[in-house]
Amino acid sequence: EADIYQTPRYLVIGTGKKITLECSQTMGHDKMYWYQQDPGMELHLIHYSYGVNSTEKGDLSSESTVSRIRTEHFPLTLESARPSHTSQYLCASSGGQGWGYTFGSGTRLTVV
Amino acid sequence: AQSVTQPDIHITVSEGASLELRCNYSYGATPYLFWYVQSPGQGLQLLLKYFSGDTLVQGIKGFEAEFKRSQSSFNLRKPSVHWSDAAEYFCVTMDSSYKLIFGSGTRLLVRP
Repeated sequence: EADIYQTPRYLVIGTGKKITLECSQTMGHDKMYWYQQDPGMELHLIHYSYGVNSTEKGDLSSESTVSRIRTEHFPLTLESARPSHTSQYLCASSGGQGWGYTFGSGTRLTVV
Repeated sequence: AQSVTQPDIHITVSEGASLELRCNYSYGATPYLFWYVQSPGQGLQLLLKYFSGDTLVQGIKGFEAEFKRSQSSFNLRKPSVHWSDAAEYFCVTMDSSYKLIFGSGTRLLVRP
C-alpha cells in the first residue's frame, strides 16, 4: 500500500551530534513537507519542497536543512543537535490542493 | 490571509454520546478544508476533506462534517463516540501555495 515512512520513530542523542531524519513516500507526490510539533501544540511548517532540487524554508525558522535529490526522499538534517531541537518532526506529502496531505508517523527527537 | 479557528481547547464527552467539534474559517472564496486526527505520540490521519460539491462530507471512522458558508464553519460531528476516539483533532485549510494552515487543535477526552 502506498504510504509515507519516517525513520527513526524515536531518537535520543547527545548535544552536538549530527543527525538525519529520514522521510520517504511511495505515492509519487511532488510536494513534501516537514513540520515541527512540540507536545500538545499545533504544527509549524519548517521546510517544504515542490519537486526535485526544490527546497524552501517554512514559516517557523529552523536550524535544520533538507534536500530533495529524488522525488520519493526528503531527509532533514541537523548538523549539531541542541536540547532546543527536542520535538516531534512530522513529514508529509501531497498530491495537490484538493487532496490534503498524507503524514508519516513522525520522529520524536530528544537531545540530551 | 486564510486561517482556521478552533474555539474549544478541550472537550469531554461520555462514551456513546454525540460529538461536535467546532471550526471556523476565514477566507473569501471557497476554501479547501480538512479534519485530521492525531492520537497520542502519532502522526496525523485524514478524517475527511471538502473542496466543492455536497456540503455534508462523510469521512472515516463514522465522522462527518458540514460546510456552512453563511456561518464560515466546518464542524466535525459523530453520532456516538467510542473510547478510541480520544485524540487531538485539527481543522485545517490549504492556501494557494499548497501549504496547510492548522487550527490550534481540540483535545477530545472520552469518559467511560
